Amino acid sequence: DAGVTQSPTHLIKTRGQQVTLRCSPKSGHDTVSWYQQALGQGPQFIFQYYEEEERQRGNFPDRFSGHQFPNYSSELNVNALLLGDSALYLCASSNGQGIHRAFFGQGTRLTVV
Amino acid sequence: AQSVAQPEDQVNVAEGNPLTVKCTYSVSGNPYLFWYVQYPNRGLQFLLKYITGDNLVKGSYGFEAEFNKSQTSFHLKKPSALVSDSALYFCAVTLGNRDDKIIFGKGTRLHILP
Repeated sequence: DAGVTQSPTHLIKTRGQQVTLRCSPKSGHDTVSWYQQALGQGPQFIFQYYEEEERQRGNFPDRFSGHQFPNYSSELNVNALLLGDSALYLCASSNGQGIHRAFFGQGTRLTVV
Repeated sequence: AQSVAQPEDQVNVAEGNPLTVKCTYSVSGNPYLFWYVQYPNRGLQFLLKYITGDNLVKGSYGFEAEFNKSQTSFHLKKPSALVSDSALYFCAVTLGNRDDKIIFGKGTRLHILP
């Protein structure tokens, strides 16, 4: 079992560009949550996907959007990148047993220049 | 609203001494509490969690945490610190429902001095 896998591990984008981050959940998990961890901060909840729908959302602008595919994998899209979007983006997967059984991926380090 | 407070940005402990990393929480309902550790350029690694039952929870690498409902605290402890314990530690809380989110503290950097 590969656990939660995220790609890419690192990337550098220019301000104003768009970026797509990917997450494959742990086998048997159907719910994917995304978190942003800015430097020196704890992870902040962005949104959660279940059954290909956004189920709840944190305090992030509409520039942040996502998608979940039928195989439960997920993408996080960020448009019109700002320097402040530079962060570690973490994906967590879980199932009907509850979010307290969530597993986290290793994250994608996004640098906006 | 749920929240987690880690009052110390940094904790310094000599190797071999006991360590404590503090955490308090605020949640309406029965909390599920977690500790995660993060090493440089790495994701989150799960250490331990409290769901219900015994207030003293034992986790990975010799860490333990004590749930104190009256003080709404969940401090992380280890009897004897190792240099390799140096890392960033996050306390987190959730209500544990299927569609809930995990709320994290801002983190405490633990330095174990040789």
